Amino acid sequence: DAGVTQSPTHLIKTRGQHVTLRCSPISGHKSVSWYQQVLGQGPQFIFQYYEKEERGRGNFPDRFSARQFPNYSSELNVNALLLGDSALYLCASSLIYSGTGRYEQYFGPGTRLTVT
Amino acid sequence: GENVEQHPSTLSVQEGDSAVIKCTYSDSASNYFPWYKQELGKRPQLIIDIRSNVGEKKDQRIAVTLNKTAKHFSLHITETQPEDSAVYFCAAKSKIQGAQKLVFGQGTRLTINP
Repeated sequence: DAGVTQSPTHLIKTRGQHVTLRCSPISGHKSVSWYQQVLGQGPQFIFQYYEKEERGRGNFPDRFSARQFPNYSSELNVNALLLGDSALYLCASSLIYSGTGRYEQYFGPGTRLTVT
Repeated sequence: GENVEQHPSTLSVQEGDSAVIKCTYSDSASNYFPWYKQELGKRPQLIIDIRSNVGEKKDQRIAVTLNKTAKHFSLHITETQPEDSAVYFCAAKSKIQGAQKLVFGQGTRLTINP
């Protein structure tokens, strides 16, 4: 039973470049959320996607965008990278995205992005 | 906005003793409170969660308590073992637009001394 997978594991980019990170949720999960975890802090919510639509967005600039595909996998895109974008980017999958049902979120291993 | 405060930031206990981590939340509409364990270089792992319709939940050596009136919840680990050493995060589910997000605390670095 595969868990949440993410690629790549590590990435080094230069300021101003663009990056794409990928996530595959647990089989049967339809919701994917993206979080940014800066060293020494808790994860911060970026977006949540469900059925290919963005359902909610955290306090992140428009340089951050994402999409979800028919197989429920997701891509996170960040344009015009800044040094401050260096972080661990985590993807979390859940069965549903709202309501009082099975809402548990399971995290992938993350992509460590370093911007130089 | 929504906020989750977590204390202490570091905690060191002797093997076999108990550890308690406390969190407070600001969003009175929050109804789901998970706890995650994150070992160095690894993913946050869901270890236990509690919903607002119960006051306590236990799973072997781990228990979580919730006081909705006071808006705080706590993680209790009994008979601690060296493998319990990790960073622990509490979180509260909060609504944002049409979605539900987790708002995390700052984390507690727990060290179990043999």
